[in-house]
Amino acid sequence: DIQMTQSPSTLSASVGDRVTITCRASQSINTWLAWYQQKPGKAPKILIYRASSLESGVPSRFSGSGSGTDFTLTISSLQPDDFAVYYCQQYQSYSRTFGQGTKVEIK
Amino acid sequence: QVQLQQWGAGLLKPSETLSLTCGVSGGSFRGYYWSWIRQPPGEGLDWIGEINHSGLPYYNSSLKSRVTISVDTSKSQFSLKLNSVTAADTAVFYCAMGSRDIPLRTWGQGTLVTVSS
Repeated sequence: DIQMTQSPSTLSASVGDRVTITCRASQSINTWLAWYQQKPGKAPKILIYRASSLESGVPSRFSGSGSGTDFTLTISSLQPDDFAVYYCQQYQSYSRTFGQGTKVEIK
Repeated sequence: QVQLQQWGAGLLKPSETLSLTCGVSGGSFRGYYWSWIRQPPGEGLDWIGEINHSGLPYYNSSLKSRVTISVDTSKSQFSLKLNSVTAADTAVFYCAMGSRDIPLRTWGQGTLVTVSS
């Protein structure tokens, strides 16, 4: 199975900060990568698909980049609603796998 | 707008079979990918498996011997069965639906399944 490694595990930031989360795949996944946001007690929500495509309705402060094995999720100016856990997921292989998650908390 | 509503038993004893169903409303059911994901309390997301519009299922290798995902297009529903559950299977289970480009676009509300004697 393809392993997905996110970093950092926890990130402390302030409103207005630029935030970057990285995700590394154990082998090339082309651009078959999605990013999700999850808030406590809620189902995850898709933010980015195919590594860099913004899902409809998602604020433009979210962006994704990368291909092959290295990917990033960037929040250009962190807002109060963005404090949550973020997951990457690869769907190159038919055994889909998630990263372990990155918690973005208030500094 | 497509919505997913899931249901099933929330309390099981060890060795029993977990059975959950997810119903799709508000949009087309055909031509998609239907998936199940679980999340143990306080932990991350664990992909269980998927079945696509051609009826082919794919499963997490660690669960493959115990899991079955099926789809009933006539009822716009898909289902999960997980045999021989143990306490380690206690989790919130989510159904999700999407396309080849976005397999997990729409999610159900989640169902907490507790395995306890």
